[in-house]
Amino acid sequence: GDSVTQMEGPVTLSEEAFLTINCTYTATGYPSLFWYVQYPGEGLQLLLKATKADDKGSNKGFEATYRKETTSFHLEKGSVQVSDSAVYFCALRGTGANNLFFGTGTRLTVIP
Amino acid sequence: NAGVTQTPKFQVLKTGQSMTLQCAQDMNHEYMSWYRQDPGMGLRLIHYSVGAGITDQGEVPNGYNVSRSTTEDFPLRLLSAAPSQTSVYFCASSQDRGLETQYFGPGTRLLVL
Repeated sequence: GDSVTQMEGPVTLSEEAFLTINCTYTATGYPSLFWYVQYPGEGLQLLLKATKADDKGSNKGFEATYRKETTSFHLEKGSVQVSDSAVYFCALRGTGANNLFFGTGTRLTVIP
Repeated sequence: NAGVTQTPKFQVLKTGQSMTLQCAQDMNHEYMSWYRQDPGMGLRLIHYSVGAGITDQGEVPNGYNVSRSTTEDFPLRLLSAAPSQTSVYFCASSQDRGLETQYFGPGTRLLVL
């Protein structure tokens, strides 16, 4: 079945460091891929998405490219800020599916 | 727009008690869903609804009931709470079944003793 495997955390970085959080998926057909972010004490918010191969989603300086050949959707940011400290979830919606499959989440802490 | 609202924020139950977690959205979204979030497990889908009067099971439906009598409301009922249902529960809504953008509520933290 459909599934998402996400980089284990937690991840601690200094401010202005480069961020990569790995995400790979298993799915038939052509899934849509998402990154959600959860700030402390809040619900999840959509960060970015990509709906077909080679699409690049971007938002707030974060980027992720839908790579069908490697079944990956890694999240990157060139220079993280303290305010980026949160839990990041990779998610997948299979072709024709009515639900999302989420990864286990990666906690990012950015220190000044 | 209040978005997606959930009540209560926190709840402590004893084993065997019943309760209803409330969820409401004011965006006229057809699609609504309930997830539970457990440490190391990510979010898992409990039940979902594609419109008023239509509900279906997700990945982990056992022990939970839902109904969708209006577009706005999607309550989640625990008929007989068990310690295994200790979790954080999130309600979400989406404008379309494609789930291109889901909006999540702030969550309900439930502890079952």
